[in-house]
Amino acid sequence: AQKITQTQPGMFVQEKEAVTLDCTYDTSDPSYGLFWYKQPSSGEMIFLIYQGSYDQQNATEGRYSLNFQKARKSANLVISASQLGDSAMYFCAMREGRGTGFQKLVFGTGTRLLVSP
Amino acid sequence: DVKVTQSSRYLVKRTGEKVFLECVQDMDHENMFWYRQDPGLGLRLIYFSYDVKMKEKGDIPEGYSVSREKKERFSLILESASTNQTSMYLCASSFQPNYGYTFGSGTRLTVV
Repeated sequence: AQKITQTQPGMFVQEKEAVTLDCTYDTSDPSYGLFWYKQPSSGEMIFLIYQGSYDQQNATEGRYSLNFQKARKSANLVISASQLGDSAMYFCAMREGRGTGFQKLVFGTGTRLLVSP
Repeated sequence: DVKVTQSSRYLVKRTGEKVFLECVQDMDHENMFWYRQDPGLGLRLIYFSYDVKMKEKGDIPEGYSVSREKKERFSLILESASTNQTSMYLCASSFQPNYGYTFGSGTRLTVV
């Protein structure tokens, strides 16, 4: 079974508009972390935002926010005021388990975002 | 800033060749990882290592092996390259779990 599901292969948004990229996850571990990464066409993976399963508040980093709905097991990424440079592939990922040991990240299949002028 | 360096950006190899993909990180991270990325499949974990000389299989280890003789270096080995190993390979390292992984810029391998 998929642990991380991203149902939107592609999304289009106009510059300056907000966009939500969907991510649902599946785990029975009470301790987990959720991540979003951006991959521009150059190929490098850029860390955007993190949400821990015990965090009370939704994570925010500049124009990025994570809409964390624990009961629904969803961790959607919201990008406000889209910019042309936001055009990229976006991956949702989950880390299960505590501590600094086996920090495996499981990734979704990604969503390609295109921002138009 | 943590740097993860992958030795080659692009590689073209022949079927049956032994291929080495090298990855070096400069921040004393215990954990290192190799993923492959294919369109529509996302990133899939091949192998990871949580200490020198330690290695664990990921989700798709078949056809690959790894070596970690020094903390900063994690090598992925394709013992006998095949065309279905044509892919983008991404190396990553981590220490603090809340900050996820730091990735290298990737190696795009083509096996002909």
